Amino acid sequence: EIVLTQSPGTPSLSPGERATLSCRASQSVRSGFLAWYQQKPGQAPRLLIYGTSSRATGIPDRFSASGSGTDFTLTINRLEPEDFAVYYCHQYGTAPWTFGQGTKVEVK
Amino acid sequence: EVQLVQSGAEVRKPGESLKISCQAAGYSFRDHWIGWVRQMPGKGLEWMGNIYPGDSDTRYSPSFEGQVTISVDNSISTVYLQWSSLEASDTAVYYCARPRSYRDGNNYPQPYYFDYWGQGTLVTVSS
Repeated sequence: EIVLTQSPGTPSLSPGERATLSCRASQSVRSGFLAWYQQKPGQAPRLLIYGTSSRATGIPDRFSASGSGTDFTLTINRLEPEDFAVYYCHQYGTAPWTFGQGTKVEVK
Repeated sequence: EVQLVQSGAEVRKPGESLKISCQAAGYSFRDHWIGWVRQMPGKGLEWMGNIYPGDSDTRYSPSFEGQVTISVDNSISTVYLQWSSLEASDTAVYYCARPRSYRDGNNYPQPYYFDYWGQGTLVTVSS
């Protein structure tokens, strides 16, 4: 099973700042099959990024992502108030599919 | 518009059985996998398994195989998640989600990332 470890745990940032979230895999993620989701309290997760760096439909371009192999990054430029949430990475290249433990971006 | 509508919250006692549902609309139901994801209180997301309505091919996470059953009723575009004997540790929100599909070298659809999610079903198991 591929273990995904996200960091930092709970960054405290201000609106307008940049958030850089990391996701490290215990082994290489096949074909870059790595996605990112955003989840707000009481809501279902929402797809942000798939295939390492492709934005999902309707996702603003302040969200970007990159990576390869075992190291992946989600960057949120100019944080908006609605971006404060929990973010999960997810690998779907190797069964069993796994998720990271989540990074909560909180307001400073 | 793709929609996944889940059944309502449930409260059960340990040892009881339960079946929750996820009804799909807005796309060709048989052509896309559907999966289940668990979220325990205050915790992260865990993939439980996926089912392909086209032929009922079902793939479970080893963590959940034998603990739950995923099934489908194509006549009403609905996927189910079932327990035969609940435990307190099954208390969680359960999401159904539809993976995007791609055709492999045998032209068989394989599941991809989850692009649509249901609203979640809270299951509470308590004596």
